[in-house]
Amino acid sequence: EVQLVESGGGLFQPGGSLRLSCAASGFSFSNSWMHWVRQAPGKGLVWVSRINEDGRTIKYADSVKGRFTISRDNARNTLSLQMNSLRAEDTAVYYCARSPKTRYYFDLWGQGTLVTVSS
Amino acid sequence: DIQLTQSPSFLSASVGDRVTVTCRASQDIGDALAWYQQNPGKAPKVLIFLASTLQSGAPSRFSGSGSGTEFTLTISSLQPEDFATYYCQQFNTYPPTFGPGTKVDIK
Repeated sequence: EVQLVESGGGLFQPGGSLRLSCAASGFSFSNSWMHWVRQAPGKGLVWVSRINEDGRTIKYADSVKGRFTISRDNARNTLSLQMNSLRAEDTAVYYCARSPKTRYYFDLWGQGTLVTVSS
Repeated sequence: DIQLTQSPSFLSASVGDRVTVTCRASQDIGDALAWYQQNPGKAPKVLIFLASTLQSGAPSRFSGSGSGTEFTLTISSLQPEDFATYYCQQFNTYPPTFGPGTKVDIK
């Protein structure tokens, strides 16, 4: 089955860190561009970060640049998002998503994992 | 960043109705637009990409049109499973951005 499954969400303190993971199966992960997209409770969708198939080209939204790090392990079909210096406004459901190469629309999504940043 | 607006933000409709949602971009994005459907508590699903191309597996009652700065999503005959929130998204210019959404509710 073609799917993405996120994990690692939970309740975290402001200023803290966490690492999200996304396990891919059923498709050629090592040949795919991958992204993180987030959605604050009751709000719209916001693109967070993108990594190309070999991990050499990475982009971030301005709101997370310098705090979040996207990475991938093609041998384990896993995408990760290291989130540091957490803020309350990082509270959201985080989705991993796949896009066609060079096109930033998302044709496969995971079920999402909720990250809550609160003291 | 390119801003997307959607209208209406909310609409009530009945099963069988023809429904149209409009998305406007703050600058010309060509045909680099996608439409997504999101049900409560679920991940979005792509319906349309490149403004008018139906995603494999999406029902044929969904169609998209437009180019440049104005785009429409049409549902030809609303079905019970179509009551959801719909988002447009541009991928012409980095960063990709989404519209604020249109919630389609049961009349």
